[in-house]
Amino acid sequence: RKEVEQDPGPFNVPEGATVAFNCTYSNSASQSFFWYRQDCRKEPKLLMSVYSSGNEDGRFTAQLNRASQYISLLIRDSKLSDSATYLCVVNGDTGTYKYIFGTGTRLKVLA
Amino acid sequence: DAMVIQNPRYQVTQFGKPVTLSCSQTLNHNVMYWYQQKSSQAPKLLFHYYDKDFNNEADTPDNFQSRRPNTSFCFLDIRSPGLGDAAMYLCATSPSGRETQYFGPGTRLLVL
Repeated sequence: RKEVEQDPGPFNVPEGATVAFNCTYSNSASQSFFWYRQDCRKEPKLLMSVYSSGNEDGRFTAQLNRASQYISLLIRDSKLSDSATYLCVVNGDTGTYKYIFGTGTRLKVLA
Repeated sequence: DAMVIQNPRYQVTQFGKPVTLSCSQTLNHNVMYWYQQKSSQAPKLLFHYYDKDFNNEADTPDNFQSRRPNTSFCFLDIRSPGLGDAAMYLCATSPSGRETQYFGPGTRLLVL
């Protein structure tokens, strides 16, 4: 089993749709969780950190479920500019400074 | 202002000809990372430094070496590039390895 798993997609959705991605992680001792966005041939950029209480930034909502070991990202009112790959990133357990990446979920928002 | 800078942005080298990629940061972060990313794949960690402490991933080929002469700079040396080493190389930093990582724009390496 991979340490961090994501559905690779692609998710093709119309403009204005709501889309949700899930990501599961295997290490229950993981401490920090993030969603990054990566455009084609560019570096990953932080979209949001994910907290146990859940957090929202405009049209984006992230949730963490420690009991089931998954994190989610919800995008409301999708825009064409949301088309990208969304990477789930999990920090390792105590004593490690490594981040584990999922393979990414590709989103295409269609006009 | 750019916080993690990578040079060059594009590098073309010949098969077997050594190449050095550089990364610098203005964030004064303790941890620096080098990742290799190939098309449609997740970034793959090659190594990281916590301060001067070097940590090599078990599956990083011996062909790849790294140097961190000071807090601000980190270098990736590929001693004898093969065609399979063509990829995007990403440098990232983190204050202490728990918080957000900050990525540089990457160096795209082409091996002829």
